[in-house]
Amino acid sequence: EDQVTQSPEALRLQEGESSSLNCSYTVSGLRGLFWYRQDPGKGPEFLFTLYSAGEEKEKERLKATLTKKESFLHITAPKPEDSATYLCAAGVGGATNKLIFGTGTLLAVQP
Amino acid sequence: NAGVTQTPKFQVLKTGQSMTLQCAQDMNHEYMSWYRQDPGMGLRLIHYSVGAGITDQGEVPNGYNVSRSTTEDFPLRLLSAAPSQTSVYFCASSQVFSFSGGQYFGPGTRLTVL
Repeated sequence: EDQVTQSPEALRLQEGESSSLNCSYTVSGLRGLFWYRQDPGKGPEFLFTLYSAGEEKEKERLKATLTKKESFLHITAPKPEDSATYLCAAGVGGATNKLIFGTGTLLAVQP
Repeated sequence: NAGVTQTPKFQVLKTGQSMTLQCAQDMNHEYMSWYRQDPGMGLRLIHYSVGAGITDQGEVPNGYNVSRSTTEDFPLRLLSAAPSQTSVYFCASSQVFSFSGGQYFGPGTRLTVL
């Protein structure tokens, strides 16, 4: 069964305190690993797509990496505005495209 | 571009009532989908469409119907609302067979069934 698991469920950081969020996946026919940011009361906002092990993508203080079994979202020197829920999703394939989402990591960055 | 729009933003129904959640996109995306988001469950796919006239079931389709008569619109119908359908519903769109740019999500509809 296709499955995506995120850890930790919640993470509280001090401003400037770097850390990483984990996304482990078990899917057949991975067609991309996706990271989204979701602010309270809003829809998810796309951040990154990773397609192959070893691939890295960066955006401001965020860097996403991918291995054959998991992905990490590294947050360097976070600011309070980085507080949000971060979702990862695995694209599964065949003739159609579907996303299997994890339950997310709620990140709180305190000033 | 307005992106993905959803109406209404909030809705309260009584058990047994029916309603339609509206979703529209102006990006000429072929792929559209509906998710529900519940605490501790993550986003779960309800139905999706790879183009006008083509729809298919996702992970949790029971109690919901969809149709896709145009590229722009993808309404979700609740046939007979139940309290278990209380949730936040998101519509999303993207290019078919390529999620490289990610899916674009609407702002969501918060539905309560009493």
